[in-house]
Amino acid sequence: EAQVTQNPRYLITVTGKKLTVTCSQNMNHEYMSWYRQDPGLGLRQIYYSMNVEVTDKGDVPEGYKVSRKEKRNFPLILESPSPNQTSLYFCASSLSGGRVNSPLHFGNGTRLTVT
Amino acid sequence: GQQLNQSPQSMFIQEGEDVSMNCTSSSIFNTWLWYKQDPGEGPVLLIALYKAGELTSNGRLTAQFGITRKDSFLNISASIPSDVGIYFCAGGSTDSWGKLQFGAGTQVVVTP
Repeated sequence: EAQVTQNPRYLITVTGKKLTVTCSQNMNHEYMSWYRQDPGLGLRQIYYSMNVEVTDKGDVPEGYKVSRKEKRNFPLILESPSPNQTSLYFCASSLSGGRVNSPLHFGNGTRLTVT
Repeated sequence: GQQLNQSPQSMFIQEGEDVSMNCTSSSIFNTWLWYKQDPGEGPVLLIALYKAGELTSNGRLTAQFGITRKDSFLNISASIPSDVGIYFCAGGSTDSWGKLQFGAGTQVVVTP
């Protein structure tokens, strides 16, 4: 089944403890992206990757890192999480971020709580 | 980033009623997309629009790409309980490939 898989689904951590949220897609998509969803703010883009070894900042990149060493994986790294990073995170992929008829496929989300 | 204004923020409707929501932007988009998010899941694409003036239907859903390329609307006809969820608009621009902008979402609640 074609899908975007995020892990973990739920994560509670403490301020300053490094964490990684994994994202993997099995559709051979070139483009991958991370979003955070907060009430009243919709989905805001954190980082995106047009292809392997190519990453760019979205609208809210501060406090996050990403890497794209292979096509299928796009992990989101929080080196020193803070409470304002408590949010619902979504990974998404598409065939190509540069093609207009290349819709995004989303994972099921990771709910992160930083205390 | 670009600002997308989506309204209304929430809607409480009775089963069988029609639903209408819209998005406006301060900038021009080349693509408008409408997504639905069910509780506990990621957004799923409902309709994609690629040309100004385009009107596209998907079952009971109809969406239009505004002539000015700065707005789009989504209509749901004869709502049913499974229409409950959050609906998001999203806009894409050739000026910023890869950076899809999302609206804040419209929460739809359908009562029997």
